[in-house]
Amino acid sequence: ELKVEQNPLFLSMQEGKNYTIYCNYSTTSDRLYWYRQDPGKSLESLFVLLSNGAVKQEGRLMASLDTKARLSTLHITAAVHDLSATYFCAVDGFTYGGSQGNLIFGKGTKLSVKP
Amino acid sequence: KAGVTQTPRYLIKTRGQQVTLSCSPISGHRSVSWYQQTPGQGLQFLFEYFSETQRNKGNFPGRFSGRQFSNSRSEMNVSTLELGDSALYLCASSLLGGAGELFFGEGSRLTVL
Repeated sequence: ELKVEQNPLFLSMQEGKNYTIYCNYSTTSDRLYWYRQDPGKSLESLFVLLSNGAVKQEGRLMASLDTKARLSTLHITAAVHDLSATYFCAVDGFTYGGSQGNLIFGKGTKLSVKP
Repeated sequence: KAGVTQTPRYLIKTRGQQVTLSCSPISGHRSVSWYQQTPGQGLQFLFEYFSETQRNKGNFPGRFSGRQFSNSRSEMNVSTLELGDSALYLCASSLLGGAGELFFGEGSRLTVL
């Protein structure tokens, strides 16, 4: 069974601190996606990582992908309150069972940044 | 450029009824996918349509169905509603379909009483 596991599922951190969210997956997919969801809102695409070793940065967020370890990380630098949200990673279901493809999402990491 | 539009945004139904949700993708996008989001199960894939054809289907009962029109707009239907169908239903569009970066709508929040 294809699995995408995120940890931690809940993260409370203080402003100015650094932290990393981890995303492990069981498929052989070499594409990984990070999304952000604010309460009651839709999912916003943050990063698309398309190959082994890919690293992308946007503001205080940096995502990386290690396809050999089947691991992606989302690193938060000097957190601010505006980053409070739920973060999801997702992988292609394309290679699983020969399907045309869909995204398999992790359970999400609920991040709360406190002043 | 307009984003993905879903209607209605909120609706309340009773058990046994049916519901139809609508999704208009980003202009030029030919693929529309539907996902169900619940606190317990998280985000689960329902189905994907590309050029009016269902290409992929998740593990949901036959009460869940969908279709896509020639203008790429899509609808999903849930018949004989159950309490467990209460969820946020998210529609996503993409340019080429299949797995890839998805652009999500605001969702339709369904409450079944």
